Amino acid sequence: EVQLVESGGGLVQPGRSLRLSCVASGFSFDDYGMHWVRQAPGKGLEWVSSINWNSGNIGYGDSVKGRFTISRDNAKNSLYLQMNSLRAEDTALYYCVKTYSGWSSASFDSWGQGTLVIVSS
Amino acid sequence: QSVLTQPPSASGTPGQTVTISCSGSSSNIGSKTVNWYQQLPETAPKLLIYNSAQRPSGVPDRFSGSKSGTSASLAISGLQSEDEADYYCAAWDDNLNGPLFGGGTRLTVL
Repeated sequence: EVQLVESGGGLVQPGRSLRLSCVASGFSFDDYGMHWVRQAPGKGLEWVSSINWNSGNIGYGDSVKGRFTISRDNAKNSLYLQMNSLRAEDTALYYCVKTYSGWSSASFDSWGQGTLVIVSS
Repeated sequence: QSVLTQPPSASGTPGQTVTISCSGSSSNIGSKTVNWYQQLPETAPKLLIYNSAQRPSGVPDRFSGSKSGTSASLAISGLQSEDEADYYCAAWDDNLNGPLFGGGTRLTVL
């Protein structure tokens, strides 16, 4: 069974940093592209960042570009999101997500339970 | 970043067929496949349709997807109370170089 377990969320002041982690199990982690997708309270889904299997292809949504950095450690079956210069509008539930069918397909078959990030003074 | 366009709400009675639309552009739906997600209250999204019209294992055949040009649709036949959820379309966007989601459609079963 595929499992994605996020951690690292919490309450943080504007301008500070936070690092999210996601530990994967139940599949060959190093075979799949991985993503972070967020959902602000009561709002829709927003793509944050993607990384392919060997970290050779990385992308960011416009709202986080230059502030967030995605990375992965295949030896540890782990995905990370370093979030710097946090803003109130970054407040959201952050999901770790696994690619289902092809890198540029936007098909995601496994989602974690999410980790909540609240940016507030 | 812009979003794919979905109606904010839809409704139907048990047994009916409901269709949810998703409109995009040539840089996403027009050139890429479409995916649909169902999000039940307080849960993570679930993949319903991928490659515009395929269902992952375990998804009932009451759910079907189609695509034409820069638009796509999700049809739910034999509507059931447990189908009450938020539905999102998504497609890769070549300009964004990443996935683009629709704004979501809240389906109410009357």
